[in-house]
Amino acid sequence: QKEVEQNSGPLSVPEGAIASLNCTYSDRGSQSFFWYRQYSGKSPELIMSIYSNGDKEDGRFTAQLNKASQYVSLLIRDSQPSDSATYLCAVGSHKLSFGAGTTVTVRA
Amino acid sequence: EAQVTQNPRYLITVTGKKLTVTCSQNMNHEYMSWYRQDPGLGLRQIYYSMNVEVTDKGDVPEGYKVSRKEKRNFPLILESPSPNQTSLYFCASSFGLAERNEQFFGPGTRLTVL
Repeated sequence: QKEVEQNSGPLSVPEGAIASLNCTYSDRGSQSFFWYRQYSGKSPELIMSIYSNGDKEDGRFTAQLNKASQYVSLLIRDSQPSDSATYLCAVGSHKLSFGAGTTVTVRA
Repeated sequence: EAQVTQNPRYLITVTGKKLTVTCSQNMNHEYMSWYRQDPGLGLRQIYYSMNVEVTDKGDVPEGYKVSRKEKRNFPLILESPSPNQTSLYFCASSFGLAERNEQFFGPGTRLTVL
């Protein structure tokens, strides 16, 4: 079993819709959870971090964490073409484990 | 500007020819790390460093060496590169607090080993 698994995608959503990304992890002791956005050929860019159960909102992005279910998600509201990218879920502390990523395409 | 820099950005080399990829950060971060990214495999950690002179293996350390003699620099050394080390490499840094380890990535180095 992979340490961090993401829904495989690709995910295609119309402009203005909500994109929903999911991630599960195997290490129950994990304390830090991150979502990175990576455009093709570019480096990962941190967009959200979450450390406690519940929701965290930042602009059009909402991260949700459920440690009991070992599940973390990212919602992108009012999706824009500029949101088209690969989204990486990362879990851990000093040793970050990454999921393989979910590619999102927002259709204009 | 706060940033992580890597050099070179692109490198084509031949099997067995030693090479070094440099990484430098200007944010006074204690923690630095190297990752490789391969299609279908995602990002995998090679080595990380908690502070000067403190390094440890990540998930895929074979064939790589690192050193941390200064806080700002964390070079990645390939003593005898092989074609299976062809990959996209990223350096990252953070303040290193266990629960607030928000890592910032450099621009990447695309390495091809022939």
